[in-house]
Amino acid sequence: NAGVMQNPRHLVRRRGQEARLRCSPMKGHSHVYWYRQLPEEGLKFMVYLQKENIIDESGMPKERFSAEFPKEGPSILRIQQVVRGDSAAYFCASSPIQPSQGTGRGETQYFGPGTRLLVL
Amino acid sequence: SQKIEQNSEALNIQEGKTATLTCNYTNYSPAYLQWYRQDPGRGPVFLLLIRENEKEKRKERLKVTFDTTLKQSLFHITASQPADSATYLCALAASGGSYIPTFGRGTSLIVHP
Repeated sequence: NAGVMQNPRHLVRRRGQEARLRCSPMKGHSHVYWYRQLPEEGLKFMVYLQKENIIDESGMPKERFSAEFPKEGPSILRIQQVVRGDSAAYFCASSPIQPSQGTGRGETQYFGPGTRLLVL
Repeated sequence: SQKIEQNSEALNIQEGKTATLTCNYTNYSPAYLQWYRQDPGRGPVFLLLIRENEKEKRKERLKVTFDTTLKQSLFHITASQPADSATYLCALAASGGSYIPTFGRGTSLIVHP
């Protein structure tokens, strides 16, 4: 039973280039979450998606960042015109159902290994 | 503003002792709280969830308490082992909204043989 898969594991980009990070959730999971982790900081929520829908993007920067989770294929986090401050580890997590008040299976998030983005 | 605080200093203990990690929060009406483990270079791994109306949860050598009056959760690892060395993250989900948890910065635990 494969876990959450992310690729690439490491990505190097020059300032101004685009970065595309991919996430394949666990089998049977249709809910995907993206987080960013900076050194010495906690995981910061970015966006929550279901298939073909963005449910909560309250943590996404207003510009340059976008996310999608198409009907077929992995979820994509896209960063346009990267800057040095975008250098971080980006984690994807998945769950089988949506989270609620702690009564079901939706609260446990299964994380991928992360993509380490370095902007030169 | 809402805050989740974990001790930023690493906790160093001897093998066999009980490790206790603390998570404090402010300005939250919690629905549930979780603890995750994160090893260097890897994604977090879920350990335990405790709901706002629960006082204590146990799983093997792990125990979590949740005091909504003190606004604090304690995470205990009994009979600690060097393999328990990792960073432990507290995550809190507020009532209402999308119930997506907010993570603390984590506390590093180092268990010495």
